[in-house]
Amino acid sequence: DIQMTQSPSSLSASVGDRVTITCRASQDIRNFLAWFQQKPGKAPKSLIYAASSLHSGVPSKFSGSGSGTDFTLTISSLQPEDSATYYCQQYNSYPLTFGGGTRVEIK
Amino acid sequence: EVQLVESGGGLVQPGRSLRLSCAASGFTFDDYAMHWVRQAPGKGLEWVSGISWNSGSIGYADSVRGRFTITRDNAKNSLYLQMNSLRIEDTALYYCAKGWDGYNSVDYWGQGILITVSS
Repeated sequence: DIQMTQSPSSLSASVGDRVTITCRASQDIRNFLAWFQQKPGKAPKSLIYAASSLHSGVPSKFSGSGSGTDFTLTISSLQPEDSATYYCQQYNSYPLTFGGGTRVEIK
Repeated sequence: EVQLVESGGGLVQPGRSLRLSCAASGFTFDDYAMHWVRQAPGKGLEWVSGISWNSGSIGYADSVRGRFTITRDNAKNSLYLQMNSLRIEDTALYYCAKGWDGYNSVDYWGQGILITVSS
């Protein structure tokens, strides 16, 4: 199975900061990488697919990059509503696997 | 508007069975793969199972393979998860999720249904 490792596990940043979350796959997953946002008590929301493509309605402050084994999610200017846990997921092959999550807090 | 509504959850004893359903609307159901994802209390997301549009490709997490069976009925716009030999560690909120790009990414999620396995 492909292991997905996210870092950091949590971070605290100020409004307006640029925030970067990394995700590493244990083997080459090409660009079959998705990012999700989950707020407490809510279902996950899909942000990005194919490593860098934004789902419809997702603000352009979110961006994704990477291919192969190393990927990043960037929030260009952090806002209070971005406080959430973010997960990466590989969908290159079954079984699909998620990273452990990154909790983003606002200072 | 895409809607995914899970049902069939509840409290069940270890070793027993339960069947989850997901009623889909607002899109052409038989065009897309579908998935089940779960989240144990206070934990992260865990993919459980996925099924292609025509049921020709099916996958399971190692933790449920041999105990859970995913199926779909395209005529009824419904996804199912038959869960047998339930364990305490299967306790979680189970989400139904819609496939997106012809591969196995997802775009829409249901609100989730709680399964509690306890004696």
